[in-house]
Amino acid sequence: EVLLQQSGAELVRPGSSVKISCKASGYTFTDYYMHWVKQRPEQGLVWIGRINPANGNTVYAEKFKSKATLTADKSSNTAYMQLSSLTSEDTATYFCTRPGRFAYWGQGTLVTVSS
Amino acid sequence: EIVLTQSPNTMAASPGEKVTITCRASSSVSYMYWYQQMSDASPKLWIYDTSKLASGVPDRFSGSGSGTSYSLTINTMEAEDAATYYCQQCCSTLTFGSGTKLEIK
Repeated sequence: EVLLQQSGAELVRPGSSVKISCKASGYTFTDYYMHWVKQRPEQGLVWIGRINPANGNTVYAEKFKSKATLTADKSSNTAYMQLSSLTSEDTATYFCTRPGRFAYWGQGTLVTVSS
Repeated sequence: EIVLTQSPNTMAASPGEKVTITCRASSSVSYMYWYQQMSDASPKLWIYDTSKLASGVPDRFSGSGSGTSYSLTINTMEAEDAATYYCQQCCSTLTFGSGTKLEIK
């Protein structure tokens, strides 16, 4: 069974950074890109970017190029996303997803930016 | 960059009513995917390759379209279908429609 298990909710201060994780199981981690998606409260889904776990190559949506950094650890089958210089606009639930005809999503990680 | 425009933004349907949600792409795409999202839950793949139902999706749902115009149809609305539906262009990069919130009357 394919599972994407994300790390828990985070409460962080404005201006700080946060790193959230997505541990994959049930498939060969390096065979599929991992994507990340943002969803602000009561808003729609926005694509952040993707990483190829096999070689670390990344592609970002333009608006996230200076906000998000995607990495992957093949030894632990875990993808990471670091968000920097956090503001209230970054308060959202973040999902990792392996999209396609058999799509899988993590349960989401709520990041709350507040002083 | 492809932009997906969904309509309507919100709608309410009575049990048994036929429902159609549309998604227009700013340029031609080969396939369309659809997701269902319940409150405080992850999106679930609902329709892939434009018209194929994901596992467990009731057959009152259908998908159709080509080029720049796609749709999701519920033949007879049921209470459990109340959710937000998103169209998605996949998979090198992802683009989502703005979502359609479907409520039961």
